[in-house]
Amino acid sequence: GESVGLHLPTLSVQEGDNSIINCAYSNSASDYFIWYKQESGKGPQFIIDIRSNMDKRQGQRVTVLLNKTVKHLSLQIAATQPGDSAVYFCAEKERGSYGKLTFGQGTILTVHP
Amino acid sequence: NAGVTQTPKFRVLKTGQSMTLLCAQDMNHEYMYWYRQDPGMGLRLIHYSVGEGTTAKGEVPDGYNVSRLKKQNFLLGLESAAPSQTSVYFCASSYGGSPLHFGNGTRLTVT
Repeated sequence: GESVGLHLPTLSVQEGDNSIINCAYSNSASDYFIWYKQESGKGPQFIIDIRSNMDKRQGQRVTVLLNKTVKHLSLQIAATQPGDSAVYFCAEKERGSYGKLTFGQGTILTVHP
Repeated sequence: NAGVTQTPKFRVLKTGQSMTLLCAQDMNHEYMYWYRQDPGMGLRLIHYSVGEGTTAKGEVPDGYNVSRLKKQNFLLGLESAAPSQTSVYFCASSYGGSPLHFGNGTRLTVT
């Protein structure tokens, strides 16, 4: 089956920098995409989502960009803080699939003070 | 409002033993899911349920069974545990078109 993957397994940034985490997907039938943050010993925590009829969506300090032409998803975190250090997962849902998500492998974000 | 609660948090089993993982949600969500997470991999869907009394297979269902007798609970059973089932198990719930809300996981080791 088709799956979602990430370009970079690790990302290190300095506090205050902007971070960009990338994700490639291959299922053209996906209509919903979501980013999760997972801290050690905890479950994934929702960050932001976007539907396939949108190109960009902004939240508090985070922006998700969707490029359907090249099947690429990115998460931008502004003014990254040490508390942002975690594993970030992108996930996609196929149209009509009852909310079932297919997850990428994850990117480890480390923010240095 | 506790969200999604999983019990137990940790468990060690011997090969061939059985156990049940319990998931409870207090958000009145229709959909519930069981995922497993292995090192270096994203979460993979085991089974899911779109409503009380219904269950369906996900990506990796073999060796697991589930039941959804009550809307708020979703049970994951291992009838005969194998070392390959050593993993962290996450339960999640959602409305149909909304983000999944996850519990904090059950870490299972099968020796």
